[in-house]
Amino acid sequence: RKEVEQDPGPFNVPEGATVAFNCTYSNSASQSFFWYRQDCRKEPKLLMSVYSSGNEDGRFTAQLNRASQYISLLIRDSKLSDSATYLCVVNMNNQGGKLIFGQGTELSVKP
Amino acid sequence: GAVVSQHPSWVICKSGTSVKIECRSLDFQATTMFWYRQFPKQSLMLMATSNEGSKATYEQGVEKDKFLINHASLTLSTLTVTSAHPEDSSFYICRVPRDSTYEQYFGPGTRLTVT
Repeated sequence: RKEVEQDPGPFNVPEGATVAFNCTYSNSASQSFFWYRQDCRKEPKLLMSVYSSGNEDGRFTAQLNRASQYISLLIRDSKLSDSATYLCVVNMNNQGGKLIFGQGTELSVKP
Repeated sequence: GAVVSQHPSWVICKSGTSVKIECRSLDFQATTMFWYRQFPKQSLMLMATSNEGSKATYEQGVEKDKFLINHASLTLSTLTVTSAHPEDSSFYICRVPRDSTYEQYFGPGTRLTVT
């Protein structure tokens, strides 16, 4: 079983749509969680950290369920510029700060 | 501006040759740097942890004699792909954590193509 699993997509949605991405992780000792965005042939960029209480940043909402080992990202009112691959990332803090990346979920927002 | 640089940004080499990729921390010193590899449509896979002043720590399945890592200074780590083969063609990215704030900075990546 992969340490971090995501639906690879692609998700093809119209502008303005709401889209949700899911992620599960296998190691219950995982300490911190993130969503990164990666554009084609570029390095990943941090989108937001994910906290147990849930957190929101503009159109983006992240949720964490430690009991289920499940992380989600909700994008509301999607824009063309949101088209990218979204990476679920888990920090194994008890292993020297190693970040474990999910496969990524590809999002394509169409006009 | 960029906090972490990588050089070269892309390279094409012949099978059997060696290629050196540099990762530089521009704004802060880093005792640890991480090297990742990403194949098309796949996740970033951690290859090794580069430690300044000591040997690198390699992930399971990564050949240390093929992927040589040298953390030459607190601002520079190099990854050398020795005797490159076409299956080594990939996107190589370094990640540099800032110790004081735990912020993570990625290099822009190096695209290696072995012909």
